[in-house]
Amino acid sequence: SQQGEEDPQALSIQEGENATMNCSYKTSINNLQWYRQNSGRGLVHLILIRSNEREKHSGRLRVTLDTSKKSSSLLITASRAADTASYFCATDAGDYKLSFGAGTTVTVRA
Amino acid sequence: ETGVTQTPRHLVMGMTNKKSLKCEQHLGHNAMYWYKQSAKKPLELMFVYNFKEQTENNSVPSRFSPECPNSSHLFLHLHTLQPEDSALYLCASSQDLVDLNTGELFFGEGSRLTVL
Repeated sequence: SQQGEEDPQALSIQEGENATMNCSYKTSINNLQWYRQNSGRGLVHLILIRSNEREKHSGRLRVTLDTSKKSSSLLITASRAADTASYFCATDAGDYKLSFGAGTTVTVRA
Repeated sequence: ETGVTQTPRHLVMGMTNKKSLKCEQHLGHNAMYWYKQSAKKPLELMFVYNFKEQTENNSVPSRFSPECPNSSHLFLHLHTLQPEDSALYLCASSQDLVDLNTGELFFGEGSRLTVL
C-alpha cells in the first residue's frame, strides 16, 4: 500500500536554482529514503534518514525529517541539467518492505 | 551499473502469449523484489523473496508467477496478460529484508512490457 506521497508532482527550475520537494507519509517509520529515477531507467538510492535524525546532507542534497508532521523534504542545491529526473521517497514502516510514492518530476532548464 | 541486470529491456506480447522476465543480481544479496511501475502511480510491490523463499505476495493476479531458483536469480513468468498490465517491471535486491536502518534497494534498469 502507498505510504509516501510526494509534492509537487512536477517542478521546473532554471539551472543553478535550488529544487525542493516534499514527502508526506501516514504511519510511523523506521527510516525514510530518497531515490532518483532517470527517464526509463531503474531507481538509484540517494540518501537515507533514520527516524531519530532530523537532517542529513550528502553533497548537494539536504534531507529533513519531521516525524511529528510525518513529512520529509529533499533539497537539491545549485541544480544542474543532470539533475533532471523523477525523485521518490520511500518509507520503511518495519514491515520488511519499502513503500514508494508516485514521485516528483524535476526538470532543470539550461 | 548497479549490479542488478534485467532482461529483456523491452517486451511486446499478445494477451495469449507466455513470456518471462529475468533478473540477476551480482551483489551477494539475500532478498529480491519485483515492483510494477505504471505512469503517474506509486511503485507497486508485487513479490518479495528472502533466501529463495517467498515472503510477500501483494495480492498479485495469478497471471503473474514468480520463481526464485537461487538468491541471485529471480523470474517473473507472464501468461494471458491484459493491456492494463503494460508497465515497467523493476527488479531490486537488498542485503537482507528491508527492516534495517541501513537497508537500501538496488534496482535493475527495468523491463518495459507492452501487452497488445
